[in-house]
Amino acid sequence: AQSVTQLDSQVPVFEEAPVELRCNYSSSVSVYLFWYVQYPNQGLQLLLKYLSGSTLVESINGFEAEFNKSQTSFHLRKPSVHISDTAEYFCAVSAGNQFYFGTGTSLTVIP
Amino acid sequence: NAGVTQTPKFQVLKTGQSMTLQCAQDMNHEYMSWYRQDPGMGLRLIHYSVGAGITDQGEVPNGYNVSRSTTEDFPLRLLSAAPSQTSVYFCASSPYSGNTIYFGEGSWLTVV
Repeated sequence: AQSVTQLDSQVPVFEEAPVELRCNYSSSVSVYLFWYVQYPNQGLQLLLKYLSGSTLVESINGFEAEFNKSQTSFHLRKPSVHISDTAEYFCAVSAGNQFYFGTGTSLTVIP
Repeated sequence: NAGVTQTPKFQVLKTGQSMTLQCAQDMNHEYMSWYRQDPGMGLRLIHYSVGAGITDQGEVPNGYNVSRSTTEDFPLRLLSAAPSQTSVYFCASSPYSGNTIYFGEGSWLTVV
């Protein structure tokens, strides 16, 4: 079975500061990697994904993540956060017929 | 632009009652799944289906049943509700397993 570890359960950061949300996974097979975002009382929305090709993937709202196979990591970064980025972020791994989610990181942007 | 639709959004049950959470998708996706979300535990897979007539168990299947008679619908049945089943339930679908999954808005279930 796969496992996904999100190392920080809560990350407070000031507005316009950079942020990194960490994600590590364990897998002996090829996987696909995802970051999802969840706003309060809503479902999860896809933020970005890595399936193949360039190891650096970007979202439309300024987030990026880099797939590092040797370190089995897929950390999420943004150079300058906004108040609207306050949400729960989930890292996920797809292997075979199942998705495996991390426990989530709550990002709070402080004005 | 419906996507994945779940009903009901909120439900309160008494211990021992049964109920069905409905899930429908209009994207012709083969893969559908149910998750529960609990504080500090992320999302855990309950059951999934790779196509009509095919279902399989996920990480936490006990106390839940599913069926997939059509591509569009994937209901989740609670056979005899227990307080431990108080949670937020999400239905999701994907064109095929391994690809991006799309979530419904969630169903908040409280068992008293």
